[in-house]
Amino acid sequence: QLQLQESGSGLVRPSQTLFLTCTVSGGSITSGGYSWNWIRQRPGMAPEGVGSIFDTGATTYNPSLKSRVNISVDRSKNQLFLQVTSMTAADTAVYYCARGMTLTPLAFDIWGHGTMVSVSS
Amino acid sequence: QSVLTQPPSVSGAPGQTVTISCTGTSSNIGTRSDVHWYQQLPGTAPKLLIYGNNNRPSGVPDRFSGSKSGTSASLTITGLQPEDEADYYCQSHDWNLRVGVFGGGTTLTVL
Repeated sequence: QLQLQESGSGLVRPSQTLFLTCTVSGGSITSGGYSWNWIRQRPGMAPEGVGSIFDTGATTYNPSLKSRVNISVDRSKNQLFLQVTSMTAADTAVYYCARGMTLTPLAFDIWGHGTMVSVSS
Repeated sequence: QSVLTQPPSVSGAPGQTVTISCTGTSSNIGTRSDVHWYQQLPGTAPKLLIYGNNNRPSGVPDRFSGSKSGTSASLTITGLQPEDEADYYCQSHDWNLRVGVFGGGTTLTVL
């Protein structure tokens, strides 16, 4: 059974860079033509897509974050990565990684438990 | 303010039927973009409930159904059960914004 687990810095100083890792177990990140995604949810708010990476290696990012976000994968380690630069308090959120279905890449069928990221000095 | 509009809350008694609406525009739901629905219990990650407008992933009870018409979509839950009490979100792709967008969410209360 495929499982996703986020890990990384839970507290980030303003203007610093966030690094998160999503480790995929129970299956390969390279199989099946799935998309791999980062979604965040600010306290009390709806989820918000951060960005996606597809089996081709192509990436898409939320335009509101595009200049600050980078998503990559290490296929040998079965891991997905998120980097967000110039963090501010507005970036405080639970960050999730999720798998997108093959024919409907925006339908996220498997999610990690999420990791809380706080931006504070 | 979310691109997709949902009622903040709905409620129903056990056994009843409730419908949650999701209103979009001609740049998202009104296009060929699919609508997906998620259920989120407190303190947990969202769970995919409906994908591709009206399809249920394996394991989702057939009490949950989805539909799409014009610039709107709906999630219908029949035979309400106490464990259905949760937040529900719709999601679609917006071609103007060039990003997937979520609705603001609807809190379902089972009376």
